[in-house]
Amino acid sequence: DIQMTQSPSSLSASVGDRVTITCRASQSIATYLNWYQQKPGKAPKLLIYGASSLQSGVPSRFSGSGSGTDFTLTISSLQPEDFATYYCQRSYNTPYTFGQGTKLEIK
Amino acid sequence: QVQLQESGPGLVKPSETLSLTCTVSGGSTNSYYWSWIRQPPGKGLEWIGYIYYTGSTNYNPSLKSRVTISVDTSKSQFSLKLSSVTAADTAVYYCARGPLSSSYYSFDFWGQGTLVTASS
Repeated sequence: DIQMTQSPSSLSASVGDRVTITCRASQSIATYLNWYQQKPGKAPKLLIYGASSLQSGVPSRFSGSGSGTDFTLTISSLQPEDFATYYCQRSYNTPYTFGQGTKLEIK
Repeated sequence: QVQLQESGPGLVKPSETLSLTCTVSGGSTNSYYWSWIRQPPGKGLEWIGYIYYTGSTNYNPSLKSRVTISVDTSKSQFSLKLSSVTAADTAVYYCARGPLSSSYYSFDFWGQGTLVTASS
């Protein structure tokens, strides 16, 4: 199976900061990479699909980039509601797998 | 707006079968794939499998021998059965719409999740 490695596993930042989260695949997955946000006690929410396409209704401060094996999720200016855990998901083939998550905390 | 709601027992005895149903409202189950995804307490997400509205399925090999997913389009429901459960199957179970071929096989609508504990 293709393994997904997310980094960092946790991150402290302040409101207004620019934040980048990385997801690396063990082999090329083209742009079959999706990003989700999960808040405590809630279901994950789709943010980005196809590595860089913004899901409808998601604020434009969220962006994604990358292809092949290396991908990034960037939040351009952190807002209080952005503190959550973020997961990448590879969708190149089954079994679909998720990264281990990055917990974004308030500094 | 599509909404999904999981239902089923929150407690299952070890060696027994976990059974959950997901009811879809605000849209049809037709023409979509529907998945089950789980999350052990404090851990990450694991895709269990999907079903197409026609009934074709695809399961995670790690669970394939114990999983059955079925669909009832007349009721706008799909279901999960996981046999021979152990404590390792304790998790929040989510149902979700997807994978969506139009969105790089992502999952766009999710249920709120239901905690299932495997314990005697």
